[in-house]
Amino acid sequence: DIQMTQSPSSLSAYVGDRVTITCRASQGFSNYLAWYQKKPGKVPKLLIYAISTLQSGVPSRFSGSGSGTDFTLTINSLQPEDVAIYYCQEYGTAPQTFGQGTKVEIK
Amino acid sequence: QVQLVESGGGVVQPGRSLRLSCAASGFTFSTYAMHWVRQAPDKGLEWVAVISYHGKNKYVIDSVRGRFTISRDNSQYTVYLDMNSLRSDDTAVYYCARGDKVGSISAFDFWGQGTTVTVSS
Repeated sequence: DIQMTQSPSSLSAYVGDRVTITCRASQGFSNYLAWYQKKPGKVPKLLIYAISTLQSGVPSRFSGSGSGTDFTLTINSLQPEDVAIYYCQEYGTAPQTFGQGTKVEIK
Repeated sequence: QVQLVESGGGVVQPGRSLRLSCAASGFTFSTYAMHWVRQAPDKGLEWVAVISYHGKNKYVIDSVRGRFTISRDNSQYTVYLDMNSLRSDDTAVYYCARGDKVGSISAFDFWGQGTTVTVSS
């Protein structure tokens, strides 16, 4: 099974900052890497799939990159509504493991 | 529009059973794989189980294997999670989510609102 490790586990940044979250897989795989946003009391929301494809309706300040075992979610110009926990996920084969999450807060 | 509505959660004693249901609408249910994902209190998302579009292929995580069974009824547009021998560490919000369309591999683009399972004596 592929294990997904995110870093950092939490971060705090100012509104307008650029924020980067890293996800490392225990073994390489194809491009089936997704990022989700989870706010308290809300349903998880798909942000990015296939490493870098933005889901419809997601603001363009979100972007994804990477390959092999190392992937990145970037939020350009952090906004107050971006406060959430972000999860990466390998969805190509079962078990479709999630990373442990990165909590993003505003300073 | 796509909708997924979970039901069946509740408070149950350790060792007992529970059946979760997820009713789908707004898309051709029989052409999509379906997943269950859970989130325990103050914990992250944990993928639990998947069932293929036709129901012939299933996979569950190690910690629930032998206790949880995923199934579906395409005529009823419903996916189920039968949970037996429940333990306190099964306490979580359980979400169903839409997965792969036939012939493709897809991330989880639609999620239900979740149903809460509490295992406690």
